[in-house]
Amino acid sequence: AQSVTQLGSHVSVSEGALVLLRCNYSSSVPPYLFWYVQYPNQGLQLLLKYTSAATLVKGINGFEAEFKKSETSFHLTKPSAHMSDAAEYFCAVSGDTDKLIFGTGTRLQVFP
Amino acid sequence: EAGVTQSPTHLIKTRGQQATLRCSPISGHTSVYWYQQALGLGLQFLLWYDEGEERNRGNFPPRFSGRQFPNYSSELNVNALELEDSALYLCASSLDGRHTGELFFGEGSRLTVL
Repeated sequence: AQSVTQLGSHVSVSEGALVLLRCNYSSSVPPYLFWYVQYPNQGLQLLLKYTSAATLVKGINGFEAEFKKSETSFHLTKPSAHMSDAAEYFCAVSGDTDKLIFGTGTRLQVFP
Repeated sequence: EAGVTQSPTHLIKTRGQQATLRCSPISGHTSVYWYQQALGLGLQFLLWYDEGEERNRGNFPPRFSGRQFPNYSSELNVNALELEDSALYLCASSLDGRHTGELFFGEGSRLTVL
């Protein structure tokens, strides 16, 4: 079975500070991993995905994530937060099941 | 190119009634997924349709059902509504049923059960 755990339901950072959103996964087969973002009153859109190529994945809006098999992690980072990054972020995994499993989400707040 | 569209945007029902939600995938996409997003619970997988067939369903009771039409649009039906069914229902589509690619989401239908 697969699962995703997102540590921290809320994260607050100052504008210009590092953003770090944590995601740990469980999968019995090599996983495909995703980060999605949901802005208020909108659906989800893909930020980036890992599909067994490079372990450091670059996405849109300056975000990137690193796949670490030894730590079963896929944390999302951005060097410098912008006010427009305030949203909810979801980590997701797929692999040996016919579905994409999402975490419970992390709400990012950015303060000026 | 039009994205995934869902209707209605908002729906208010009372306990015991039935709700029908609709989804049109991106043109050319054959797979449609339904997720329930309830407060604090993240996205819970409901149903996956591909080429008109139900391929998988999540851990939801049978009163949650749906179908996919020949034009690949989809309908989610929730019978005998309960208060805890209040949630945002998200539809997503993908080019095929392989779960290695991107899902494209609609903006959701917010169901309120009173």
